[in-house]
Amino acid sequence: DSGVTQTPKHLITATGQRVTLRCSPRSGDLSVYWYQQSLDQGLQFLIQYYNGEERAKGNILERFSAQQFPDLHSELNLSSLELGDSALYFCASSPHPGLTTDTQYFGPGTRLTVL
Amino acid sequence: DAKTTQPPSMDCAEGRAANLPCNHSTISGNEYVYWYRQIHSQGPQYIIHGLKNNETNEMASLIITEDRKSSTLILPHATLRDTAVYYCIVRYQGGSEKLVFGKGTKLTVNP
Repeated sequence: DSGVTQTPKHLITATGQRVTLRCSPRSGDLSVYWYQQSLDQGLQFLIQYYNGEERAKGNILERFSAQQFPDLHSELNLSSLELGDSALYFCASSPHPGLTTDTQYFGPGTRLTVL
Repeated sequence: DAKTTQPPSMDCAEGRAANLPCNHSTISGNEYVYWYRQIHSQGPQYIIHGLKNNETNEMASLIITEDRKSSTLILPHATLRDTAVYYCIVRYQGGSEKLVFGKGTKLTVNP
């Protein structure tokens, strides 16, 4: 158990819909990262937040957005869903990004299926 | 981030040491080698990381060559639960904090 929690575990929805994925980081971790894992693309970085502020952006679609709240939990919002958005979505957290010994710990993931 | 090359798959007998190689010939002096693994579709699990010295923790040992162009992750006594995809990742500390995952090595531990 990494200490990172994600809800829900599974999500099944239809094309065109909007969903919200939630992540609670490990206690004390200030940074949250979102990654997407699909069969054809592998694990890809989407976005990072640090202490409530966006810190880095990867290949995140404009239909996707995220935020980190004052209690440090984060939400990833996916809208106008397409079949190709079906994937595993992982959240990771770390205490001090940029420091030499900083390490990311991953949650169990949310499996999104778009029908 | 430096690129890494790993064999796509490896087999190991239960109880034997599993040695997983990784080539990172373009690594620069301030880039760290990190290893993660992913068991089935679970979240990636951190294993170990190092800069130039060999490292050991309760999970594994990391051997980095003197020229730093390659490394080996060693699981000393592999068990069936070590069957997973192992990712070798090179990270620049102080630069981008994202992890760049390649295809990794699928390790199968056989009884």
